[in-house]
Amino acid sequence: QQQVKQSPQSLIVQKGGISIINCAYENTAFDYFPWYQQFPGKGPALLIAIRPDVSEKKEGRFTISFNKSAKQFSLHIMDSQPGDSATYFCAASLGNAGNNRKLIWGLGTSLAVNP
Amino acid sequence: KAGVTQTPRYLIKTRGQQVTLSCSPISGHRSVSWYQQTPGQGLQFLFEYFSETQRNKGNFPGRFSGRQFSNSRSEMNVSTLELGDSALYLCASSLGSHNTEAFFGQGTRLTVV
Repeated sequence: QQQVKQSPQSLIVQKGGISIINCAYENTAFDYFPWYQQFPGKGPALLIAIRPDVSEKKEGRFTISFNKSAKQFSLHIMDSQPGDSATYFCAASLGNAGNNRKLIWGLGTSLAVNP
Repeated sequence: KAGVTQTPRYLIKTRGQQVTLSCSPISGHRSVSWYQQTPGQGLQFLFEYFSETQRNKGNFPGRFSGRQFSNSRSEMNVSTLELGDSALYLCASSLGSHNTEAFFGQGTRLTVV
């Protein structure tokens, strides 16, 4: 059962355009929502993360929008550049007894930004 | 500060063999998690170790096992390899129970023939 559903599976955007990737989750107990960026031959790297007490977080050209009632969050990449071409993963995390955490991952979105 | 180091980077094994992968976390990090990454399946969580104890476990068969040493270095072992075990195996380290940011290594590409 996929607890975090990510869409689209792939995305092609023109340079300068806006890339939008969406994720939906089921478990309302999730309390940490990161986005990771992965380039070919590399491991994923944390890009930006949000907690459910805010509706938006912006870091440079990257913005997370969070809709708690809809149980959805999205990544917006403004002024997309060819160097942004990578696979993007959303994830959700739940803290439990002892603050143990496990990240639940979306299946990833392959983004290609055309020059 | 050195990042997460995984060795070897590439491996080719035949069906039925076993394999051991190694992960050295960032200095000071006590949590190590292992993931299997395949096209179309994304990142599948294998297990997490913290202070030499397995803290979380994913839904993988018992052929997949791991351990963590006192210096936080971790190994993952897969026995009786199957063709479907071909994947990129990623290790991630984090500070510990209160820190959620995971830092990934470059992974070990395992091919089972």
